Amino acid sequence: KQEVTQIPAALSVPEGENLVLNCSFTDSAIYNLQWFRQDPGKGLTSLLLIQSSQREQTSGRLNASLDKSSGRSTLYIAASQPGDSATYLCAVWAQKLVFGQGTRLTINP
Amino acid sequence: DAGVTQSPTHLIKTRGQQVTLRCSPKSGHDTVSWYQQALGQGPQFIFQYYEEEERQRGNFPDRFSGHQFPNYSSELNVNALLLGDSALYLCASSPPGYTYEQYFGPGTRLTVT
Repeated sequence: KQEVTQIPAALSVPEGENLVLNCSFTDSAIYNLQWFRQDPGKGLTSLLLIQSSQREQTSGRLNASLDKSSGRSTLYIAASQPGDSATYLCAVWAQKLVFGQGTRLTINP
Repeated sequence: DAGVTQSPTHLIKTRGQQVTLRCSPKSGHDTVSWYQQALGQGPQFIFQYYEEEERQRGNFPDRFSGHQFPNYSSELNVNALLLGDSALYLCASSPPGYTYEQYFGPGTRLTVT
């Protein structure tokens, strides 16, 4: 059974810092991995999708990496801004999306 | 182009009642998946509908059932509501041939008292 874990559960940093969110999964037989953003009480917005054959994906200030062999992914956010405050969820695709519990990120002005 | 829409936005029900949640997929999408997200948790997969049939199901009891209509819209029904069913229910739609590309709606917040 695939399990996804995200560490830390919550993170608070001052504006302008670079930061890394971590995601680990137990079964390396994944088709892809996605990072989502969720604002309080809202739906999910897909940020980055990494296919199993890829090592990383970049979009603006966001960079996600994937290491299937170790069952890990990281989301790197550069020059954080208060608008980045949200919960970040990682999910692996194995015939369905299996989500981690999320990291609640707060960027302090 | 409208994205995925869900109704209602919020709902309050009493234990033992039944509830129906609705989802309209993004234009051109033919697959609909439903997820339950308890407070502070990640979403949990309930089931997926394609061609008006349940194609896959997560670890949820039979009290959770669904339907997909010819226009690809979908309903989630929950019978005999329990307090533990209180959650944000998310619907996601996918384009033909790309089930892993899931576009999420804003969700329906269900509170069971």
